[in-house]
Amino acid sequence: DIQLTQSPSFLSASVGDRVTITCRASQAIYSYLAWYQQKPGQAPSLLIYAASTLQSGVPSRFSGGGSGTEFTLTISYLRPEDFATYYCQQLNNYPLTFGGGTKVEVK
Amino acid sequence: EVQLLESGGGLIPPWESLTIACAASGFDFRTYAMNWVRQAPGKGLEWISSISDGGGREYYADSVKGRFTISRDNTKNILYLRMNNLRDDDTALYFCARRSIYYNYWFFDLWGRGTLVTVSS
Repeated sequence: DIQLTQSPSFLSASVGDRVTITCRASQAIYSYLAWYQQKPGQAPSLLIYAASTLQSGVPSRFSGGGSGTEFTLTISYLRPEDFATYYCQQLNNYPLTFGGGTKVEVK
Repeated sequence: EVQLLESGGGLIPPWESLTIACAASGFDFRTYAMNWVRQAPGKGLEWISSISDGGGREYYADSVKGRFTISRDNTKNILYLRMNNLRDDDTALYFCARRSIYYNYWFFDLWGRGTLVTVSS
């Protein structure tokens, strides 16, 4: 099974900061990676797929990069509504797996 | 409106069985693979099962293989998860999610709000 390791697990930041979250896969997954945002009490919401393609309607301050085993999610200018937990997911093969999550908190 | 709506969760004793459902609306359900993802209280997301658009292929996480069965009724636009021999660690919010595809790339672009299953005596 492919393991996904996200870092950091927690991130304290302020409005306006640039933040980057890393997701490392235990084996190569090409670009078969998606990123999701989850706010408390809500379902996850798709941000990025194919490692770097922004889902329709997602603000352009979100961007994704990487391929193979190392991937990043960057928020270029953190807004109040971006404080949430972020998950990566590999869709290269079954079993599909998620990273452990990164909680972005207010500093 | 395009949406997924889960139902059927509740409090269930260990070792018993439960079937939860996900009703789809606003899109052509029969053309999409579907999935179940769960989230234990205070924990992260765990993919547990997928089913192909026609229902002919099923996939399971090791944690539920042999105990859970995914199925779908494309005439009623409903996805099911039959859960047998429930354990305490099956306690979670269960989400259904639609899998879309762009070229060869998959992603879960539509999620329900979840149904809570609590396994406890």
